[in-house]
Amino acid sequence: DAGITQSPRYKITETGRQVTLMCHQTWSHSYMFWYRQDLGHGLRLIYYSAAADITDKGEVPDGYVVSRSKTENFPLTLESATRSQTSVYFCASSEYRTGAGSEAFFGQGTRLTVV
Amino acid sequence: DQQVKQNSPSLSVQEGRISILNCDYTNSMFDYFLWYKKYPAEGPTFLISISSIKDKNEDGRFTVFLNKSAKHLSLHIVPSQPGDSAVYFCAASGNYGGSQGNLIFGKGTKLSVKP
Repeated sequence: DAGITQSPRYKITETGRQVTLMCHQTWSHSYMFWYRQDLGHGLRLIYYSAAADITDKGEVPDGYVVSRSKTENFPLTLESATRSQTSVYFCASSEYRTGAGSEAFFGQGTRLTVV
Repeated sequence: DQQVKQNSPSLSVQEGRISILNCDYTNSMFDYFLWYKKYPAEGPTFLISISSIKDKNEDGRFTVFLNKSAKHLSLHIVPSQPGDSAVYFCAASGNYGGSQGNLIFGKGTKLSVKP
Protein backbone atom coordinates (compact mmCIF):
# COMPACT_ATOMS: atom_id res chain seq x y z
CA ASP A 1 0.00 0.00 0.00
CA ALA A 2 1.24 3.44 -0.87
CA GLY A 3 1.82 5.77 2.01
CA ILE A 4 3.87 6.24 5.10
CA THR A 5 3.86 3.70 7.90
CA GLN A 6 5.31 3.75 11.38
CA SER A 7 6.08 0.88 13.69
CA PRO A 8 5.41 0.05 16.38
CA ARG A 9 2.19 1.95 17.08
CA TYR A 10 2.69 1.62 20.83
CA LYS A 11 5.83 1.00 22.84
CA ILE A 12 6.64 0.88 26.53
CA THR A 13 10.30 0.88 27.48
CA GLU A 14 12.39 1.36 30.56
CA THR A 15 14.60 4.30 31.38
CA GLY A 16 18.08 3.83 29.94
CA ARG A 17 17.07 1.39 27.23
CA GLN A 18 17.72 1.96 23.56
CA VAL A 19 14.63 1.99 21.39
CA THR A 20 14.19 2.47 17.65
CA LEU A 21 11.08 3.76 15.96
CA MET A 22 10.68 2.80 12.32
CA CYS A 23 9.32 4.83 9.44
CA HIS A 24 8.79 3.71 5.85
CA GLN A 25 7.37 5.65 2.90
CA THR A 26 6.50 4.41 -0.56
CA TRP A 27 6.29 7.72 -2.46
CA SER A 28 10.05 8.16 -2.93
CA HIS A 29 9.77 11.57 -1.32
CA SER A 30 13.11 13.26 -0.83
CA TYR A 31 12.33 14.81 2.54
CA MET A 32 11.52 12.92 5.69
CA PHE A 33 10.90 14.26 9.18
CA TRP A 34 10.46 13.18 12.76
CA TYR A 35 8.20 15.19 15.05
CA ARG A 36 7.09 14.75 18.61
CA GLN A 37 3.76 15.92 19.92
CA ASP A 38 3.38 16.91 23.54
CA LEU A 39 0.60 18.67 25.41
CA GLY A 40 1.14 22.39 25.30
CA HIS A 41 3.83 22.19 22.63
CA GLY A 42 2.13 21.12 19.45
CA LEU A 43 4.41 19.43 16.91
CA ARG A 44 8.14 19.94 17.31
CA LEU A 45 10.73 18.85 14.77
CA ILE A 46 13.37 16.43 16.04
CA TYR A 47 15.37 15.61 12.91
CA TYR A 48 14.88 15.78 9.20
CA SER A 49 16.51 14.38 6.11
CA ALA A 50 16.77 15.90 2.65
CA ALA A 51 17.89 12.69 0.94
CA ALA A 52 19.57 9.39 1.66
CA ASP A 53 22.63 9.92 3.86
CA ILE A 54 21.75 13.58 4.49
CA THR A 55 20.27 14.38 7.90
CA ASP A 56 20.09 17.47 10.06
CA LYS A 57 18.87 18.55 13.48
CA GLY A 58 15.54 20.15 14.11
CA GLU A 59 14.27 22.02 17.13
CA VAL A 60 14.63 19.26 19.76
CA PRO A 61 17.34 16.77 18.68
CA ASP A 62 19.01 15.99 22.01
CA GLY A 63 18.88 12.32 22.96
CA TYR A 64 17.92 11.16 19.47
CA VAL A 65 19.84 9.67 16.56
CA VAL A 66 18.64 9.17 12.99
CA SER A 67 19.95 7.51 9.89
CA ARG A 68 18.81 7.28 6.30
CA SER A 69 20.64 4.69 4.30
CA LYS A 70 17.69 4.24 1.93
CA THR A 71 15.31 6.88 0.60
CA GLU A 72 12.25 5.05 1.91
CA ASN A 73 13.36 4.45 5.50
CA PHE A 74 14.07 6.91 8.27
CA PRO A 75 14.47 5.25 11.69
CA LEU A 76 14.64 7.28 14.89
CA THR A 77 16.68 5.89 17.79
CA LEU A 78 16.55 6.93 21.40
CA GLU A 79 19.99 5.88 22.61
CA SER A 80 19.16 5.91 26.31
CA ALA A 81 15.50 6.59 26.88
CA THR A 82 14.42 9.09 29.53
CA ARG A 83 10.96 9.79 30.97
CA SER A 84 10.96 13.20 29.26
CA GLN A 85 10.96 11.34 25.94
CA THR A 86 7.52 9.93 26.66
CA SER A 87 5.55 11.36 23.77
CA VAL A 88 3.75 10.64 20.53
CA TYR A 89 6.18 10.51 17.63
CA PHE A 90 5.19 11.25 14.06
CA CYS A 91 7.16 10.55 10.95
CA ALA A 92 6.38 12.57 7.82
CA SER A 93 7.58 12.93 4.26
CA SER A 94 7.30 15.53 1.53
CA GLU A 95 8.43 16.00 -2.04
CA TYR A 96 9.92 19.44 -1.53
CA ARG A 97 11.19 21.39 1.43
CA THR A 98 9.25 24.62 0.97
CA GLY A 99 6.39 26.01 -1.06
CA ALA A 100 3.98 24.00 -3.14
CA GLY A 101 4.79 20.35 -2.81
CA SER A 102 6.15 20.79 0.69
CA GLU A 103 2.92 19.53 2.21
CA ALA A 104 4.10 16.86 4.59
CA PHE A 105 2.26 13.56 4.80
CA PHE A 106 2.26 12.02 8.23
CA GLY A 107 2.30 8.49 9.54
CA GLN A 108 -0.15 7.24 12.17
CA GLY A 109 2.23 7.94 15.02
CA THR A 110 4.02 5.90 17.68
CA ARG A 111 2.99 6.39 21.28
CA LEU A 112 6.11 5.84 23.37
CA THR A 113 6.03 5.53 27.13
CA VAL A 114 9.27 5.49 29.11
CA VAL A 115 8.87 4.10 32.62
CA ASP B 1 9.91 32.16 21.08
CA GLN B 2 6.84 30.94 19.25
CA GLN B 3 6.87 31.93 15.61
CA VAL B 4 3.44 30.46 14.87
CA LYS B 5 0.70 31.07 17.41
CA GLN B 6 -2.77 29.67 17.74
CA ASN B 7 -4.12 31.56 20.70
CA SER B 8 -7.40 29.68 21.03
CA PRO B 9 -6.86 26.18 22.44
CA SER B 10 -10.46 25.27 21.71
CA LEU B 11 -13.51 26.35 19.76
CA SER B 12 -17.08 25.10 19.88
CA VAL B 13 -19.48 25.65 16.99
CA GLN B 14 -22.99 24.54 16.12
CA GLU B 15 -23.44 22.26 13.13
CA GLY B 16 -24.18 24.24 9.97
CA ARG B 17 -22.56 27.43 11.24
CA ILE B 18 -19.20 28.85 10.28
CA SER B 19 -16.02 27.83 12.11
CA ILE B 20 -13.19 30.36 12.10
CA LEU B 21 -9.79 29.23 13.30
CA ASN B 22 -7.08 31.84 13.69
CA CYS B 23 -3.32 31.79 13.46
CA ASP B 24 -0.72 34.52 13.94
CA TYR B 25 2.92 34.47 12.96
CA THR B 26 5.88 36.62 13.80
CA ASN B 27 8.39 35.88 11.04
CA SER B 28 7.80 38.08 8.00
CA MET B 29 9.99 35.75 5.92
CA PHE B 30 7.41 32.97 5.99
CA ASP B 31 6.01 32.56 2.50
CA TYR B 32 3.93 29.40 2.64
CA PHE B 33 1.20 28.51 5.10
CA LEU B 34 -0.67 25.28 5.69
CA TRP B 35 -3.49 23.90 7.79
CA TYR B 36 -3.58 20.34 9.06
CA LYS B 37 -6.38 18.42 10.71
CA LYS B 38 -5.76 15.76 13.32
CA TYR B 39 -8.13 13.17 14.72
CA PRO B 40 -7.27 11.32 17.96
CA ALA B 41 -4.85 8.41 17.50
CA GLU B 42 -4.15 9.42 13.89
CA GLY B 43 -1.45 11.44 12.21
CA PRO B 44 -2.12 14.99 11.02
CA THR B 45 -3.58 15.23 7.52
CA PHE B 46 -2.98 18.11 5.15
CA LEU B 47 -6.06 20.25 4.61
CA ILE B 48 -5.28 23.40 2.65
CA SER B 49 -2.40 25.75 1.96
CA ILE B 50 -1.75 29.28 0.74
CA SER B 51 1.23 31.02 -0.74
CA SER B 52 2.17 34.50 0.43
CA ILE B 53 1.46 35.88 -3.03
CA LYS B 54 -2.24 35.16 -2.49
CA ASP B 55 -4.70 36.38 0.09
CA LYS B 56 -7.30 33.66 -0.27
CA ASN B 57 -7.47 30.00 -1.21
CA GLU B 58 -10.63 27.95 -1.34
CA ASP B 59 -11.24 24.21 -1.41
CA GLY B 60 -14.83 23.14 -1.00
CA ARG B 61 -16.04 24.06 2.47
CA PHE B 62 -12.57 25.23 3.51
CA THR B 63 -11.15 28.68 2.83
CA VAL B 64 -7.90 30.09 4.10
CA PHE B 65 -7.38 33.85 4.27
CA LEU B 66 -3.99 35.47 4.59
CA ASN B 67 -3.41 39.02 5.84
CA LYS B 68 0.32 39.62 5.42
CA SER B 69 0.34 43.09 6.91
CA ALA B 70 -1.22 41.75 10.10
CA LYS B 71 0.77 38.49 9.94
CA HIS B 72 -2.48 36.66 10.39
CA LEU B 73 -4.23 33.80 8.69
CA SER B 74 -7.55 32.17 9.29
CA LEU B 75 -9.31 29.00 8.26
CA HIS B 76 -13.03 29.20 7.58
CA ILE B 77 -15.15 26.08 7.49
CA VAL B 78 -18.64 26.57 6.05
CA PRO B 79 -20.89 24.84 6.86
CA SER B 80 -19.36 23.08 9.83
CA GLN B 81 -20.12 19.39 10.25
CA PRO B 82 -19.70 17.08 13.26
CA GLY B 83 -17.00 15.20 11.31
CA ASP B 84 -14.94 18.39 11.32
CA SER B 85 -14.39 17.97 15.06
CA ALA B 86 -10.62 17.60 15.36
CA VAL B 87 -7.49 19.48 16.31
CA TYR B 88 -6.38 21.94 13.65
CA PHE B 89 -2.74 22.92 13.30
CA CYS B 90 -1.49 25.96 11.50
CA ALA B 91 2.02 25.70 9.98
CA ALA B 92 4.37 28.02 8.14
CA SER B 93 7.63 27.80 6.22
CA GLY B 94 10.01 30.07 4.38
CA ASN B 95 13.06 29.73 2.18
CA TYR B 96 15.31 32.43 3.54
CA GLY B 97 18.89 32.72 4.66
CA GLY B 98 19.51 30.86 7.89
CA SER B 99 16.28 28.96 7.59
CA GLN B 100 16.11 25.23 7.33
CA GLY B 101 12.88 25.79 5.41
CA ASN B 102 11.03 23.29 7.54
CA LEU B 103 7.44 23.61 8.65
CA ILE B 104 6.90 25.34 11.98
CA PHE B 105 3.67 24.37 13.68
CA GLY B 106 1.38 26.16 16.06
CA LYS B 107 0.09 24.38 19.16
CA GLY B 108 -3.27 23.58 17.64
CA THR B 109 -6.94 24.48 18.19
CA LYS B 110 -9.44 21.80 19.13
CA LEU B 111 -12.66 22.31 17.20
CA SER B 112 -15.88 20.75 18.44
CA VAL B 113 -18.88 20.86 16.13
CA LYS B 114 -22.09 20.11 18.00
CA PRO B 115 -25.07 18.54 16.23
